[in-house]
Amino acid sequence: SQTIHQWPATLVQPVGSPLSLECTVEGTSNPNLYWYRQAAGRGLQLLFYSVGIGQISSEVPQNLSASRPQDRQFILSSKKLLLSDSGFYLCAWSVKGSGRSNTGELFFGEGSRLTVL
Amino acid sequence: AQSVAQPEDQVNVAEGNPLTVKCTYSVSGNPYLFWYVQYPNRGLQFLLKYITGDNLVKGSYGFEAEFNKSQTSFHLKKPSALVSDSALYFCAVREQAAGNKLTFGGGTRVLVKP
Repeated sequence: SQTIHQWPATLVQPVGSPLSLECTVEGTSNPNLYWYRQAAGRGLQLLFYSVGIGQISSEVPQNLSASRPQDRQFILSSKKLLLSDSGFYLCAWSVKGSGRSNTGELFFGEGSRLTVL
Repeated sequence: AQSVAQPEDQVNVAEGNPLTVKCTYSVSGNPYLFWYVQYPNRGLQFLLKYITGDNLVKGSYGFEAEFNKSQTSFHLKKPSALVSDSALYFCAVREQAAGNKLTFGGGTRVLVKP
């Protein structure tokens, strides 16, 4: 079966420090990968998604970047954190492919809570 | 463009009573529709989906949802709510002919009181 791991689970960082959140998927190959941010325990904002190694699409201009160095690894980074980067970050994956066999549901990791002070 | 609306920020219900969480959607083609649940400080868990066929979809933990094409709705229901159903619920839509991105509603917090 497929599993998705995110770490660290919690992180407290000072303003201006770098960030690296990591996500890996097991039990599948060539997945679509996604980074979401959830602020104040409510709505989800899609930050980045990737359909393959080195292929990153950014949804929202911001202080963050994403990379996909391996097929099942997705990394969220920042060179200098801002207070507004605080939030709950969720990684997700979905099956790739078009047509009726791919219904597109996402499978989420347990999240990483970032507090920037 | 696809969009989802969850008109209620919070739903309060007594334990044992029926629970309904509302969702309406907008797509230009045929939709795939999903419900997710999120417990505090956890990731989202998949509950159920509508792809095609029977308008009543049954999912995990006794939840079901009814697809209504004419009203463009996909309301989540549970006949008898439990205190443990208290959580944040998200509706999401993906247009069949679209890419790989789901669009999520803003979420509805459900509070089930004993």
